[in-house]
Amino acid sequence: DAKTTQPTSMDCAEGRAANLPCNHSTISGNEYVYWYRQIHSQGPQYIIHGLKNNETNEMASLIITEDRKSSTLILPHATLRDTAVYYCIVRVANSGNTPLVFGKGTRLSVIA
Amino acid sequence: SAVISQKPSRDICQRGTSLTIQCQVDSQVTMMFWYRQQPGQSLTLIATANQGSEATYESGFVIDKFPISRPNLTFSTLTVSNMSPEDSSIYLCSVVKKPYEQYFGPGTRLTVT
Repeated sequence: DAKTTQPTSMDCAEGRAANLPCNHSTISGNEYVYWYRQIHSQGPQYIIHGLKNNETNEMASLIITEDRKSSTLILPHATLRDTAVYYCIVRVANSGNTPLVFGKGTRLSVIA
Repeated sequence: SAVISQKPSRDICQRGTSLTIQCQVDSQVTMMFWYRQQPGQSLTLIATANQGSEATYESGFVIDKFPISRPNLTFSTLTVSNMSPEDSSIYLCSVVKKPYEQYFGPGTRLTVT
């Protein structure tokens, strides 16, 4: 699976949009971009995933560049409960039986 | 989705002893995964557990130290053997329920003194 690069940490004001970038310049054509987050003392939680089109669900939006070498996770109205470590993971399609490999992630702090 | 429970949620153990962590899933799954998260670090995969076969261990992890059982499609155990303070970590089990979504248990926080 391709490697990802994320900033170590970011701050965001409560109520504002949080934009978390991820670089995955070596991504292959059959690899998806996944985002998970880990709130302190909990197991990681699935947020969203995408292949090449932008995706949106009730938690977040995922914007993938046209060349697919980078992406941005957007939390439209960050709350204090969104404070967590966010992991961007690239993974081969249809690899449902292959475990996720975690990098260091981005520690997002939402500030009141 | 998947509901995953782990027991115990936390424990404090003395060095040289062993602890068995249980993972229960609310439905049948083919594969279960065990991860370790050392303090301040990301998650590291320990092993993959298939029902009816030996677990597959990642580099740096061995069966003698982390024996795993998988007696059926909803349950697995991980034992941390002959513990040392370096084994102090959060241990998480995980399953894949849909083709692309992996779910995690709440974790077991282990402190070795």
